[in-house]
Amino acid sequence: QVQLVQSGTEVKKPGASVKVSCKASGYTFTGSYIHWVRQAPGQGLEWMGRINPNSGGTSYAQKFQGRVTMTSDTSISTAYMELSRLNSDDTVVYYCARGTDLGHFDYWGQGTLVTVSS
Amino acid sequence: DIQMTQAPSSLSASVGDRVTITCRASQSISNYLSWYQQKPGKAPKLLIYAASSLQSGVPSRFSGSGSGTDFTLTISSLQPEDFATYYCQQSYNTPRTFGLGTKVEIK
Repeated sequence: QVQLVQSGTEVKKPGASVKVSCKASGYTFTGSYIHWVRQAPGQGLEWMGRINPNSGGTSYAQKFQGRVTMTSDTSISTAYMELSRLNSDDTVVYYCARGTDLGHFDYWGQGTLVTVSS
Repeated sequence: DIQMTQAPSSLSASVGDRVTITCRASQSISNYLSWYQQKPGKAPKLLIYAASSLQSGVPSRFSGSGSGTDFTLTISSLQPEDFATYYCQQSYNTPRTFGLGTKVEIK
């Protein structure tokens, strides 16, 4: 069965960086995009970007350009999202999700809470 | 960016009620529209894709319709486990965008 398992809760200081991992299993990792979506407490869903694990090609939301880097390691079927220059607005839950050919997200990771606090 | 407008933002309903949630796109997105259900502390779960296709394993009381700019999610007979927040999302282009959500609460 398809599973996306994310790394655990992180606590970071303002200005630091965080790197969240998303380990895929149950399907061919290079066959589907991995998207990253975040959600502030009690708020809606915000798309951050996506990576094609096969090519390494990425597409980022304008809001995060210059601050986010998405990578993947096909040898261990794992995608990563690194966000730099963290501030309090980045205290949210980050999700990875598998993208389909029609663009929807059929499987999601369990979410990773990142808290930014001095 | 394509804006997705959901209505209502919240609703109260009883078990057995028929519930309808609407989603409007700021431009035509053909049928590149999906619906997700999210419960507190959990990841979103795909219900409907391509506007009207039911994801495998999702109960048939959920249905979707629409094309172009106007879309609807219908729950034909609300069950206790359906109390949650529902989001629409367009996959016509990037950036992918979501509606702000509709919270379905118990009346």
